[in-house]
Amino acid sequence: DAGITQSPRYKITETGRQVTLMCHQTWSHSYMFWYRQDLGHGLRLIYYSAAADITDKGEVPDGYVVSRSKTENFPLTLESATRSQTSVYFCASSDWEGNSPLHFGNGTRLTVT
Amino acid sequence: AQRVTQPEKLLSVFKGAPVELKCNYSYSGSPELFWYVQYSRQRLQLLLRHISRESIKGFTADLNKGETSFHLKKPFAQEEDSAMYYCALLLSPSNTGKLIFGQGTTLQVKP
Repeated sequence: DAGITQSPRYKITETGRQVTLMCHQTWSHSYMFWYRQDLGHGLRLIYYSAAADITDKGEVPDGYVVSRSKTENFPLTLESATRSQTSVYFCASSDWEGNSPLHFGNGTRLTVT
Repeated sequence: AQRVTQPEKLLSVFKGAPVELKCNYSYSGSPELFWYVQYSRQRLQLLLRHISRESIKGFTADLNKGETSFHLKKPFAQEEDSAMYYCALLLSPSNTGKLIFGQGTTLQVKP
């Protein structure tokens, strides 16, 4: 589904730097999510948003900040990156009425050195 | 606590053999469960959900509330089934769309 795109695909940053991962969807889905994927942990929910200007914490929100000023965008910011935040990050969206599935982006592989 | 457990990190079978990917959950309410799949170099995508009681690509999954399980099965594995499989549980309230995922199982189907 080309309707949800993440950028960048790959990012290397240093400990302590701020980095923002972008997520854009063209479906006007109400719900958007950020997950991180780590070996042994699977996918863990970082933050989610039910609509513009409405966000809430997931399972592992510490060290992350999100915003949703527009329905189509849901950026994820690491305010001061740490090595433990090295991971693959997935954005997803859903129009949850009627139990529609999550649509995932291609992911961003982030390495913190 | 709400939790999804996939006990196997890797499942390796030969083509034509039956496959069962295990998923157990912990949830106090009435669960809604899903299987997602990630093929190599592709996005995560929904494979099936228990409320639909459907069969996708020959896979089925039955919710067993007594055993709190939602195992994914296929009678005859194909090489193209090789992928990472995630079991997921919809958290309440269900209208938030929040899913929690298991650790994932890599299925390797050998020729």
